[in-house]
Amino acid sequence: SQTIHQWPATLVQPVGSPLSLECTVEGTSNPNLYWYRQAAGRGLQLLFYSVGIGQISSEVPQNLSASRPQDRQFILSSKKLLLSDSGFYLCAWSPDRGNEKLFFGSGTQLSVL
Amino acid sequence: EDQVTQSPEALRLQEGESSSLNCSYTVSGLRGLFWYRQDPGKGPEFLFTLYSAGEEKEKERLKATLTKKESFLHITAPKPEDSATYLCAVQATGYALNFGKGTSLLVTP
Repeated sequence: SQTIHQWPATLVQPVGSPLSLECTVEGTSNPNLYWYRQAAGRGLQLLFYSVGIGQISSEVPQNLSASRPQDRQFILSSKKLLLSDSGFYLCAWSPDRGNEKLFFGSGTQLSVL
Repeated sequence: EDQVTQSPEALRLQEGESSSLNCSYTVSGLRGLFWYRQDPGKGPEFLFTLYSAGEEKEKERLKATLTKKESFLHITAPKPEDSATYLCAVQATGYALNFGKGTSLLVTP
């Protein structure tokens, strides 16, 4: 069966510090991978998605970047965090092309202070 | 611009008191409408996908229906363990799902 791992679960970082969140998927190959952010009082916002190794699409211009160095690994990064980067970050994967039933990881609660 | 609006924002029910959650959407070319359940501090869990008006899906005490403008998630005789935030999302063109803000459901014994 397929599983998705996301870590860390919580993270407290000072403004201006770098960020690296990692997500891996097991039990499938060539998944679509996604990073979402969920802020209080707002819906889930798609940040990045990837349909293959090295292929990254950005939905929202911002202080963050994403990379997919391996088929089942997706990384969210920042060189310098802003206060506005605080939120609940979710990694997700989808098995099908065109039918985007998403399976989410357990999330990372990021607080930038 | 595609929009997804969920109502009510919050709903409190007594155990056994059936009700419905609403998801209204404006989108060009709906490819799918998705319902998810999210528990506090966790990632959303997939419940249903609906593709065309008139379609219905059921799972235990939950039933999702779809019209051309909205979807309903009916909860029959809810139990406290049904307490969660229920999210609706639509897919039009491309890969992105457009999520609503969710309905927070509390079921009391």
